[in-house]
Amino acid sequence: GENVEQHPSTLSVQEGDSAVIKCTYSDSASNYFPWYKQELGKRPQLIIDIRSNVGEKKDQRIAVTLNKTAKHFSLHITETQPEDSAVYFCAARPYSGNTPLVFGKGTRLSVIA
Amino acid sequence: DADVTQTPRNRITKTGKRIMLECSQTKGHDRMYWYRQDPGLGLRLIYYSFDVKDINKGEISDGYSVSRQAQAKFSLSLESAIPNQTALYFCATSDLRPGGYNEQFFGPGTRLTVL
Repeated sequence: GENVEQHPSTLSVQEGDSAVIKCTYSDSASNYFPWYKQELGKRPQLIIDIRSNVGEKKDQRIAVTLNKTAKHFSLHITETQPEDSAVYFCAARPYSGNTPLVFGKGTRLSVIA
Repeated sequence: DADVTQTPRNRITKTGKRIMLECSQTKGHDRMYWYRQDPGLGLRLIYYSFDVKDINKGEISDGYSVSRQAQAKFSLSLESAIPNQTALYFCATSDLRPGGYNEQFFGPGTRLTVL
C-alpha cells in the first residue's frame, strides 16, 4: 500500500522568510496530493492540492510542486507570517479513488516574529 | 453552514469502560472516516465507510469498532478502553468526484483520556 514520508518534522523560520516542506510517496499510481493545515486546537483544513497531471500549482503565498518521476511533492510558503504557524500534513491518494488518503506524519512550522 | 460535528468534545474514562464517540454531518457526503491523532504520528485511519452498507478497516482498527447508522451518522466505539487509546479523534467526510479528487472535511475532534 501507499506510504507517505514527510520532512522535516519541525521547522522554524523568521517572519518574511520562505518555508519548504517535502513529502515522498511510494505508490506510483497515486494521482492526488493535498496539503492540510492544522492550527493549534483546530481541525485540519485543506489549503492546496495538486493532481498528477500538473507539475506546480500556486495560490497567493503558497505553492505545491510535484515530481512524479522522483515520487515527491513539496509545499512552499513565501513571505511567512505568524499566522502560518501550524502543523502541516501532506497526503496522497492511490489512483482508484476508492481508497482513503494516506497522510504524512506532519510538520510543525513555527514562524518567529 | 453545512458542517461535521462530534460528540463529546472531551471525555475522560477509566480502563475497561466502553466508550462511544459520535459523528454527524450535514454536508450530504457519502464517505465518512475516523482518524486518530497522536503527537509525532500524524493522522492514522481507524475505519472508513463509503456508504451506509460499507465498512472498511483502516491502518489501526484493532480495539475499535464502528457503526454507520445513516448517511449522516458514523459512530466509533472502544469496547474496552485502554490507556494507549488516549488520543485526539477526528471524524471526516468527503464526497465522490471523478478521479477521486475529493477534499476531506474534518470535525472539531474529540479528546479522549483513558486513565
